[in-house]
Amino acid sequence: GENVEQHPSTLSVQEGDSAVIKCTYSDSASNYFPWYKQELGKRPQLIIDIRSNVGEKKDQRIAVTLNKTAKHFSLHITETQPEDSAVYFCAASMVGQGAQKLVFGQGTRLTINP
Amino acid sequence: GAGVSQSPRYKVAKRGQDVALRCDPISGHVSLFWYQQALGQGPEFLTYFQNEAQLDKSGLPSDRFFAERPEGSVSTLKIQRTQQEDSAVYLCASSPTWGGRVSISYEQYFGPGTRLTVT
Repeated sequence: GENVEQHPSTLSVQEGDSAVIKCTYSDSASNYFPWYKQELGKRPQLIIDIRSNVGEKKDQRIAVTLNKTAKHFSLHITETQPEDSAVYFCAASMVGQGAQKLVFGQGTRLTINP
Repeated sequence: GAGVSQSPRYKVAKRGQDVALRCDPISGHVSLFWYQQALGQGPEFLTYFQNEAQLDKSGLPSDRFFAERPEGSVSTLKIQRTQQEDSAVYLCASSPTWGGRVSISYEQYFGPGTRLTVT
């Protein structure tokens, strides 16, 4: 089955700097890669996702890149702000006509230092 | 509109007790997923419904875990004879997609979770 590895497990950056979180996946059939943000005690919330037919996607300060050949994808957050502090999870899925189960990475605790 | 809701939000059970966790998905969402999230870990898949059909239960850790969605809307996850290792947050997610449409979102919308503590 699919296995997703996520690094680093913790990341601390100065406010205004960029943060990068990396994930690798094992199943080349996976074709949908979402990123979720989870604040303490709250539900995971989708911040960006990418499908395998796209190499990069950007939404304001957040971008995701995908390298299908190497089976890895990354989250980039620019101009970080204190409210970006949270745990971030990557996930992989093999979607078809509908959503399918997500296989999550272990999470990255991001801390933005003012 | 209303998001995914779960009840109870917190549940404390003595070892050996049975528990039932409820999920109310977003109205009209076809797909419903249950995940288990241990402290400090990512969510792990338990089971998946498309309407009332349980299409994948490969993630259920033992036969003590049972899920149902009899009318294709509300779902219940039941855990029999709870054990300490069952302590976790149980997350429910729903998704609107199922074939036949040009533009499809695969987003899964998560509920707030039920924190189960087995003592």
